[in-house]
Amino acid sequence: DGGITQSPKYLFRKEGQNVTLSCEQNLNHDAMYWYRQDPGQGLRLIYYSQIVNDFQKGDIAEGYSVSREKKESFPLTVTSAQKNPTAFYLCASSMGGGPDTQYFGPGTRLTVL
Amino acid sequence: KQEVTQIPAALSVPEGENLVLNCSFTDSAIYNLQWFRQDPGKGLTSLLLIQSSQREQTSGRLNASLDKSSGRSTLYIAASQPGDSATYLCFAWASKLTFGTGTRLQVTL
Repeated sequence: DGGITQSPKYLFRKEGQNVTLSCEQNLNHDAMYWYRQDPGQGLRLIYYSQIVNDFQKGDIAEGYSVSREKKESFPLTVTSAQKNPTAFYLCASSMGGGPDTQYFGPGTRLTVL
Repeated sequence: KQEVTQIPAALSVPEGENLVLNCSFTDSAIYNLQWFRQDPGKGLTSLLLIQSSQREQTSGRLNASLDKSSGRSTLYIAASQPGDSATYLCFAWASKLTFGTGTRLQVTL
């Protein structure tokens, strides 16, 4: 089955700890994205990558880091510098690096205690 | 700065009704506009994508229109069903990638 997987579905961490969220796709898509969703707000773009070994900051990149060493994988690290990390995190991919249909994973709900 | 607004924030209709969801955007220089559906606690499912050169797209009971000059898109759902209950999000791809805050739809029996 082709698609985007995110793991884990639920994640709990203590305040001050870094945590890495996984996103893998087998759609052979060039571009991948990370969004954050908070209650009552739309999705906000954290980082995106149009091609392997390249990525750009979105609107709310502070306190987050990413890597794109493989086409299939785009992990997101939530660092201790992120002031309010508790949220629902969604990963997406699209075929090209330009405007194209985005396909989303099931999301990871991160709770920082 | 692109702002994408969806009104109403919530909507409840009886089964069988036709309904319209609205999406407004401030930057008319969009490449495309996409409508998504999100069920509680789940990821997003793409419904329709309208390229900037197009005026509408249709899929089954869904029809989405785009008017760049007025900065508006509408999603029309015909003969609504309880299974249509979800949050509907519009997304505008311009110089920035911007989601609306969504319309939470409930279709009652």
